Amino acid sequence: AQSVTQLDSHVSVSEGTPVLLRCNYSSSYSPSLFWYVQHPNKGLQLLLKYTSAATLVKGINGFEAEFKKSETSFHLTKPSAHMSDAAEYFCVVSLNAGNMLTFGGGTRLMVKP
Amino acid sequence: NAGVTQTPKFQVLKTGQSMTLQCAQDMNHNSMYWYRQDPGMGLRLIYYSASEGTTDKGEVPNGYNVSRLNKREFSLRLESAAPSQTSVYFCASSVVPNQPQHFGDGTRLSIL
Repeated sequence: AQSVTQLDSHVSVSEGTPVLLRCNYSSSYSPSLFWYVQHPNKGLQLLLKYTSAATLVKGINGFEAEFKKSETSFHLTKPSAHMSDAAEYFCVVSLNAGNMLTFGGGTRLMVKP
Repeated sequence: NAGVTQTPKFQVLKTGQSMTLQCAQDMNHNSMYWYRQDPGMGLRLIYYSASEGTTDKGEVPNGYNVSRLNKREFSLRLESAAPSQTSVYFCASSVVPNQPQHFGDGTRLSIL
């Protein structure tokens, strides 16, 4: 079975400082991996996706994530946090064609002025 | 572009009442999904429809039924609502099952 673990339920950073949201997955195969963002009272929006091309994936709003097979990780980063980045972030994994997406428990990012 | 549209946005029910949540997508996607989101639980899949004419149970199907009315529409029905079904419900769609999903803005459902 596939699974995904987001290591921090809450992360707090100051505006202008780097963001790191951690995600580990378990899989015997090469997965597809995604990060989604959810702003308050909104649905989930796709930030970026990894599908076995480049291991460093760039997404929207300055976010990027690096796929590390040896560490089974797909951490999300941003060099400089903005107040508008405050939201909940979900790491998502899919094993192969026809496989449903499995969502991590989410990380709530807080950005202090 | 409308994307995925859910109706209603808010609803309050009494225990035992029935209700249908509606979802429609205009992206010509084959696959559609219903999730519920509860604090600290992430998103849990209730039912999905990989393609028009098929539906399958997800992780938490008990107490729910679904209908894939056509390629655009996928409804979720609560036959006899219970307080444990108080949640935020999200509909999503994707081209095929393992591809990125597009989400609606959710239906906030309270059952008293």
